[in-house]
Amino acid sequence: EPEVTQTPSHQVTQMGQEVILRCVPISNHLYFYWYRQILGQKVEFLVSFYNNEISEKSEIFDDQFSVERPDGSNFTLKIRSTKLEDSAMYFCATKWDGSSYEQYFGPGTRLTVT
Amino acid sequence: ELKVEQNPLFLSMQEGKNYTIYCNYSTTSDRLYWYRQDPGKSLESLFVLLSNGAVKQEGRLMASLDTKARLSTLHITAAVHDLSATYFCAVDELAAGNKLTFGGGTRVLVKP
Repeated sequence: EPEVTQTPSHQVTQMGQEVILRCVPISNHLYFYWYRQILGQKVEFLVSFYNNEISEKSEIFDDQFSVERPDGSNFTLKIRSTKLEDSAMYFCATKWDGSSYEQYFGPGTRLTVT
Repeated sequence: ELKVEQNPLFLSMQEGKNYTIYCNYSTTSDRLYWYRQDPGKSLESLFVLLSNGAVKQEGRLMASLDTKARLSTLHITAAVHDLSATYFCAVDELAAGNKLTFGGGTRVLVKP
């Protein structure tokens, strides 16, 4: 069964450093999402991406965050200058098209900022 | 702004008994999802509810949706230890790129 994959599974970084989290969507999926979950809390939407542009973003997704599909396969989330409060689990999710409804979640990347 | 509230936040269950988790949401939506999350793991899709009155069942879990009341329930029948996990409901905002807004989660612990 096709699945969404994410790398790395765990990333430890120092405050102020840049990190890039990678997601490989299910083939033929066109809609991409990033969510985050701070330990013990609920899952929060960050951004949605379609047709090579952001379609929706949350208040969390400020200028420190960016997304792109650099090579048509990977979908990346970059945090330019990490803060302690960026420590969380980051989930990528993908969806086939606008009429389908189910988002498929990847296994997540645990980001620890020290 | 869409708000999704679950209750209870924590549910200690006895094996063999029945329990219900409630999910209320604040705006009109016809799509509601239930996910299970084990500690340190990703979200496992349990149910997708697409219309008013939808009811879905899988094993000991049954989910229903009342769009008029803006309420979904997840019913657990004869709880077993394997059902210990955190359960989230999520509402799909069609007008916002289909982003999912999640409830706060219900942590379920099934004791023998």
